[in-house]
Amino acid sequence: AQTVTQSQPEMSVQEAETVTLSCTYDTSENNYYLFWYKQPPSRQMILVIRQEAYKQQNATENRFSVNFQKAAKSFSLKISDSQLGDTAMYFCAFMRLGRGSTLGRLYFGRGTQLTVWP
Amino acid sequence: DTAVSQTPKYLVTQMGNDKSIKCEQNLGHDTMYWYKQDSKKFLKIMFSYNNKELIINETVPNRFSPKSPDKAHLNLHINSLELGDSAVYFCASSRRGADTQYFGPGTRLTVL
Repeated sequence: AQTVTQSQPEMSVQEAETVTLSCTYDTSENNYYLFWYKQPPSRQMILVIRQEAYKQQNATENRFSVNFQKAAKSFSLKISDSQLGDTAMYFCAFMRLGRGSTLGRLYFGRGTQLTVWP
Repeated sequence: DTAVSQTPKYLVTQMGNDKSIKCEQNLGHDTMYWYKQDSKKFLKIMFSYNNKELIINETVPNRFSPKSPDKAHLNLHINSLELGDSAVYFCASSRRGADTQYFGPGTRLTVL
């Protein structure tokens, strides 16, 4: 079974600063996707970024970037120039690829509550 | 245009009742999912359908029954509701089985 661990239940950062959220995962698979989703107080689950395991280059989406360390099974999210609207619960998630009954299943971490303060 | 929509957004009901939550996606995706988010915000998959065929059937009570009339819709029917069913239920869809999933706004179910 795949497990995803987010060791920081809560974090806070001042507006315009940079913050890094940690995620580690455990798998014997070689081919998979990793995701970060955010859930603001509105409850909506919003995709932040996706990383394909076969890509060595770290994914980037505007102010959001990841540090993907496949050998260490680590997948951290860096938010630059933090904004008040970044306040949300952030979930790391794992999806194995290939065939089988677990195809498409997302395994989520328990989340990190990020608060951005003025 | 809403990509993945759910109705209702809030549902308050008594123990023992039967209720349904509807989900629709207009993204043209082949695969749809139901997730449950508990009071500690932990998300866990319940079911997935690909082109109306059940693919993932996680260990959930058989009081929960998904129904997919077509590949754009996946409804969740719950019989004999219990207090422990109180949670937020999310519908999601993806282009195919192993692809990025896009979530609906969630349905907060409260069982009294």
